[in-house]
Amino acid sequence: EAQVTQNPRYLITVTGKKLTVTCSQNMNHEYMSWYRQDPGLGLRQIYYSMNVEVTDKGDVPEGYKVSRKEKRNFPLILESPSPNQTSLYFCASSAGTGYHHEQYFGPGTRLTVT
Amino acid sequence: EDQVTQSPEALRLQEGESSSLNCSYTVSGLRGLFWYRQDPGKGPEFLFTLYSAGEEKEKERLKATLTKKESFLHITAPKPEDSATYLCAVRNTNAGKSTFGDGTTLTVKP
Repeated sequence: EAQVTQNPRYLITVTGKKLTVTCSQNMNHEYMSWYRQDPGLGLRQIYYSMNVEVTDKGDVPEGYKVSRKEKRNFPLILESPSPNQTSLYFCASSAGTGYHHEQYFGPGTRLTVT
Repeated sequence: EDQVTQSPEALRLQEGESSSLNCSYTVSGLRGLFWYRQDPGKGPEFLFTLYSAGEEKEKERLKATLTKKESFLHITAPKPEDSATYLCAVRNTNAGKSTFGDGTTLTVKP
Protein backbone atom coordinates (compact mmCIF):
# COMPACT_ATOMS: atom_id res chain seq x y z
CA GLU A 1 0.00 0.00 0.00
CA ALA A 2 1.31 3.41 -1.02
CA GLN A 3 1.74 5.48 2.10
CA VAL A 4 3.64 8.03 4.16
CA THR A 5 4.43 6.89 7.67
CA GLN A 6 5.46 9.00 10.65
CA ASN A 7 6.80 8.00 14.03
CA PRO A 8 6.02 8.55 16.77
CA ARG A 9 2.35 9.45 16.43
CA TYR A 10 2.26 11.08 19.86
CA LEU A 11 5.12 12.53 21.87
CA ILE A 12 5.30 14.43 25.13
CA THR A 13 8.73 15.81 25.98
CA VAL A 14 10.43 18.51 28.03
CA THR A 15 12.04 21.74 26.96
CA GLY A 16 15.55 21.28 25.58
CA LYS A 17 15.50 17.51 25.09
CA LYS A 18 16.49 16.76 21.50
CA LEU A 19 14.03 14.71 19.48
CA THR A 20 13.57 13.33 15.99
CA VAL A 21 10.33 12.62 14.19
CA THR A 22 10.79 10.15 11.38
CA CYS A 23 9.02 10.22 8.02
CA SER A 24 9.18 7.54 5.36
CA GLN A 25 7.42 7.08 2.01
CA ASN A 26 7.24 3.98 -0.17
CA MET A 27 6.21 5.64 -3.44
CA ASN A 28 9.69 6.58 -4.72
CA HIS A 29 8.70 10.25 -4.55
CA GLU A 30 11.24 12.97 -5.33
CA TYR A 31 9.68 15.66 -3.16
CA MET A 32 9.07 15.63 0.59
CA SER A 33 7.97 18.31 3.00
CA TRP A 34 7.19 18.99 6.66
CA TYR A 35 4.28 21.08 7.93
CA ARG A 36 2.95 22.11 11.29
CA GLN A 37 -0.74 22.69 11.93
CA ASP A 38 -1.97 24.99 14.67
CA PRO A 39 -5.51 26.18 15.41
CA GLY A 40 -6.23 29.40 13.55
CA LEU A 41 -2.92 29.29 11.68
CA GLY A 42 -3.57 26.45 9.26
CA LEU A 43 -0.84 24.32 7.75
CA ARG A 44 2.53 26.06 7.62
CA GLN A 45 5.51 24.69 5.73
CA ILE A 46 8.67 24.09 7.77
CA TYR A 47 11.15 22.57 5.32
CA TYR A 48 11.00 20.79 2.00
CA SER A 49 13.28 18.65 -0.12
CA MET A 50 13.22 18.45 -3.89
CA ASN A 51 15.53 15.42 -3.96
CA VAL A 52 18.22 13.56 -2.04
CA GLU A 53 20.70 15.93 -0.36
CA VAL A 54 18.60 18.96 -1.42
CA THR A 55 16.66 20.74 1.31
CA ASP A 56 15.26 24.25 1.64
CA LYS A 57 13.44 26.39 4.16
CA GLY A 58 9.70 26.85 4.17
CA ASP A 59 7.88 29.63 5.99
CA VAL A 60 8.63 28.61 9.60
CA PRO A 61 12.04 26.84 9.72
CA GLU A 62 13.34 28.36 12.96
CA GLY A 63 14.12 25.72 15.60
CA TYR A 64 14.00 22.79 13.17
CA LYS A 65 16.50 20.81 11.13
CA VAL A 66 16.01 18.22 8.41
CA SER A 67 18.12 15.87 6.34
CA ARG A 68 17.53 13.85 3.18
CA LYS A 69 20.20 11.21 2.92
CA GLU A 70 17.90 8.65 1.29
CA LYS A 71 15.03 9.19 -1.08
CA ARG A 72 12.45 7.51 1.13
CA ASN A 73 13.27 9.18 4.47
CA PHE A 74 12.99 12.79 5.63
CA PRO A 75 13.41 13.13 9.41
CA LEU A 76 12.51 16.30 11.31
CA ILE A 77 14.91 17.18 14.11
CA LEU A 78 14.22 19.49 17.02
CA GLU A 79 17.61 20.11 18.65
CA SER A 80 16.25 22.04 21.64
CA PRO A 81 12.45 21.93 21.68
CA SER A 82 10.51 24.75 23.26
CA PRO A 83 6.83 24.98 24.29
CA ASN A 84 5.99 27.07 21.20
CA GLN A 85 6.83 24.01 19.09
CA THR A 86 3.88 22.17 20.59
CA SER A 87 1.85 21.36 17.49
CA LEU A 88 0.52 18.75 15.10
CA TYR A 89 3.15 17.87 12.51
CA PHE A 90 2.58 16.38 9.08
CA CYS A 91 5.03 14.94 6.60
CA ALA A 92 4.07 14.88 2.93
CA SER A 93 5.51 13.62 -0.33
CA SER A 94 4.79 13.98 -4.03
CA ALA A 95 6.16 12.54 -7.25
CA GLY A 96 7.27 15.99 -8.36
CA THR A 97 6.36 19.65 -8.15
CA GLY A 98 4.26 20.11 -11.24
CA TYR A 99 0.67 21.27 -11.13
CA HIS A 100 -0.49 17.68 -11.44
CA HIS A 101 1.62 16.44 -8.53
CA GLU A 102 -0.53 16.31 -5.45
CA GLN A 103 0.94 15.75 -2.01
CA TYR A 104 0.35 12.60 0.02
CA PHE A 105 0.27 13.24 3.75
CA GLY A 106 1.23 11.10 6.70
CA PRO A 107 -1.10 10.52 9.66
CA GLY A 108 0.47 13.26 11.77
CA THR A 109 2.58 13.48 14.93
CA ARG A 110 1.13 15.31 17.90
CA LEU A 111 3.99 16.85 19.87
CA THR A 112 3.68 18.43 23.30
CA VAL A 113 6.68 20.25 24.80
CA THR A 114 6.36 21.10 28.49
CA GLU B 1 4.51 36.58 -0.15
CA ASP B 2 1.83 34.13 -1.25
CA GLN B 3 -1.51 34.32 0.55
CA VAL B 4 -4.53 32.03 0.66
CA THR B 5 -7.77 33.05 2.37
CA GLN B 6 -10.66 30.66 2.75
CA SER B 7 -14.23 31.53 3.60
CA PRO B 8 -16.34 30.87 5.46
CA GLU B 9 -14.39 29.47 8.42
CA ALA B 10 -17.27 27.15 9.23
CA LEU B 11 -20.37 26.10 7.31
CA ARG B 12 -23.33 24.13 8.59
CA LEU B 13 -25.69 22.65 6.02
CA GLN B 14 -28.69 20.39 6.05
CA GLU B 15 -28.35 17.22 4.04
CA GLY B 16 -29.19 18.04 0.42
CA GLU B 17 -28.58 21.79 0.83
CA SER B 18 -26.04 22.83 -1.82
CA SER B 19 -23.44 25.53 -1.19
CA SER B 20 -19.96 26.77 -2.13
CA LEU B 21 -16.65 27.27 -0.35
CA ASN B 22 -14.35 30.08 -1.42
CA CYS B 23 -10.55 30.22 -1.71
CA SER B 24 -9.02 33.58 -2.61
CA TYR B 25 -5.34 33.65 -3.43
CA THR B 26 -2.41 35.84 -4.37
CA VAL B 27 0.64 34.02 -5.64
CA SER B 28 3.83 34.91 -7.50
CA GLY B 29 3.20 32.69 -10.49
CA LEU B 30 0.64 29.94 -9.98
CA ARG B 31 1.99 26.47 -10.45
CA GLY B 32 -1.19 24.81 -9.25
CA LEU B 33 -4.11 25.23 -6.87
CA PHE B 34 -5.00 22.20 -4.81
CA TRP B 35 -8.02 21.20 -2.75
CA TYR B 36 -7.67 18.71 0.09
CA ARG B 37 -10.09 17.17 2.54
CA GLN B 38 -9.06 16.64 6.15
CA ASP B 39 -10.97 14.48 8.60
CA PRO B 40 -10.42 14.96 12.36
CA GLY B 41 -7.16 13.42 13.55
CA LYS B 42 -5.98 12.57 10.03
CA GLY B 43 -3.72 13.99 7.37
CA PRO B 44 -5.17 15.90 4.42
CA GLU B 45 -6.31 13.87 1.41
CA PHE B 46 -6.08 15.17 -2.14
CA LEU B 47 -9.28 16.10 -3.98
CA PHE B 48 -8.45 18.28 -7.00
CA THR B 49 -5.75 20.24 -8.72
CA LEU B 50 -6.47 23.20 -10.98
CA TYR B 51 -4.05 25.20 -13.07
CA SER B 52 -5.71 27.38 -15.67
CA ALA B 53 -8.40 30.03 -15.18
CA GLY B 54 -11.70 28.56 -16.32
CA GLU B 55 -10.71 25.02 -15.46
CA GLU B 56 -13.26 22.81 -13.68
CA LYS B 57 -12.93 19.40 -12.04
CA GLU B 58 -15.70 17.18 -10.67
CA LYS B 59 -15.84 14.23 -8.32
CA GLU B 60 -19.13 12.87 -7.05
CA ARG B 61 -20.89 15.75 -5.27
CA LEU B 62 -17.91 18.11 -5.49
CA LYS B 63 -16.93 20.49 -8.26
CA ALA B 64 -13.92 22.80 -8.15
CA THR B 65 -13.53 25.86 -10.34
CA LEU B 66 -10.71 28.37 -10.84
CA THR B 67 -10.43 32.03 -11.81
CA LYS B 68 -7.36 34.25 -11.77
CA LYS B 69 -8.03 35.31 -8.19
CA GLU B 70 -10.11 32.61 -6.54
CA SER B 71 -11.33 29.07 -6.55
CA PHE B 72 -14.67 27.66 -5.50
CA LEU B 73 -15.53 24.24 -4.21
CA HIS B 74 -19.19 23.61 -4.96
CA ILE B 75 -20.96 20.93 -2.97
CA THR B 76 -24.18 19.64 -4.51
CA ALA B 77 -26.72 17.83 -2.34
CA PRO B 78 -24.23 17.11 0.44
CA LYS B 79 -24.46 14.09 2.73
CA PRO B 80 -23.32 13.80 6.35
CA GLU B 81 -20.20 11.92 5.20
CA ASP B 82 -19.08 15.08 3.41
CA SER B 83 -18.50 16.66 6.82
CA ALA B 84 -14.79 17.54 7.06
CA THR B 85 -12.37 20.44 6.84
CA TYR B 86 -11.60 21.48 3.28
CA LEU B 87 -8.19 22.99 2.64
CA CYS B 88 -7.05 25.05 -0.31
CA ALA B 89 -3.35 25.37 -1.21
CA VAL B 90 -1.26 27.05 -3.88
CA ARG B 91 2.13 26.13 -5.25
CA ASN B 92 4.13 28.92 -6.84
CA THR B 93 6.90 28.97 -9.40
CA ASN B 94 9.37 28.25 -6.59
CA ALA B 95 7.98 24.81 -6.97
CA GLY B 96 8.93 23.51 -3.57
CA LYS B 97 6.87 26.01 -1.62
CA SER B 98 3.21 25.45 -0.81
CA THR B 99 0.90 27.85 0.99
CA PHE B 100 -2.28 26.60 2.62
CA GLY B 101 -5.39 28.43 3.72
CA ASP B 102 -6.85 27.93 7.19
CA GLY B 103 -9.62 25.74 5.85
CA THR B 104 -13.41 25.64 5.92
CA THR B 105 -14.99 23.22 8.37
CA LEU B 106 -18.14 21.79 6.84
CA THR B 107 -20.82 20.10 8.93
CA VAL B 108 -23.72 18.41 7.16
CA LYS B 109 -26.68 17.51 9.37
CA PRO B 110 -28.99 14.63 8.41
